[in-house]
Amino acid sequence: NAGVMQNPRHLVRRRGQEARLRCSPMKGHSHVYWYRQLPEEGLKFMVYLQKENIIDESGMPKERFSAEFPKEGPSILRIQQVVRGDSAAYFCASSPILYEQYFGPGTRLTVT
Amino acid sequence: ELKVEQNPLFLSMQEGKNYTIYCNYSTTSDRLYWYRQDPGKSLESLFVLLSNGAVKQEGRLMASLDTKARLSTLHITAAVHDLSATYFCAVLDNNDMRFGAGTRLTVKP
Repeated sequence: NAGVMQNPRHLVRRRGQEARLRCSPMKGHSHVYWYRQLPEEGLKFMVYLQKENIIDESGMPKERFSAEFPKEGPSILRIQQVVRGDSAAYFCASSPILYEQYFGPGTRLTVT
Repeated sequence: ELKVEQNPLFLSMQEGKNYTIYCNYSTTSDRLYWYRQDPGKSLESLFVLLSNGAVKQEGRLMASLDTKARLSTLHITAAVHDLSATYFCAVLDNNDMRFGAGTRLTVKP
């Protein structure tokens, strides 16, 4: 059973471009979570999704950030018009129920 | 707002010594998690503690949970260099996992 997969693992964007981060949950998992980790800090919750539904987006910045988890395909975290402050590691986690979360390897976004 | 506080944030130990990392939280949640993160890597689940008084052990690490005190501890016994990493505690609060700032552990020979 493959673990949580994220791609790309590293992403470089210039200021003003768009970043798309993908997360494929573990097989059988219907809950997906996105977290952001700034250097030398812990993880900060961003959004919790189930298939086709955003359950909790209380940690998402109000502008430029959006997330989806379509019926088919991976979950996508989209950051429009990136700025330097968006540089971070973005982790996705999945769970079969609201219990234990399994983390993906992360996408390291660098904005130049 | 839920707060999760870890201490110490930095810990340098000699091999063979014992030490405890503390995690205090401000909610009534009874689900607490410990993770390990190596530099540049993802999070590895260490322990899931689901009830008051829960104690779990794996190798040189032992975690406990006191929900009344809202405190969890991660005890390291006879540390070895391979334990060098950053350790995070996290509390499940409704739908989201709230993380502590992490304890960066360095074990020196």
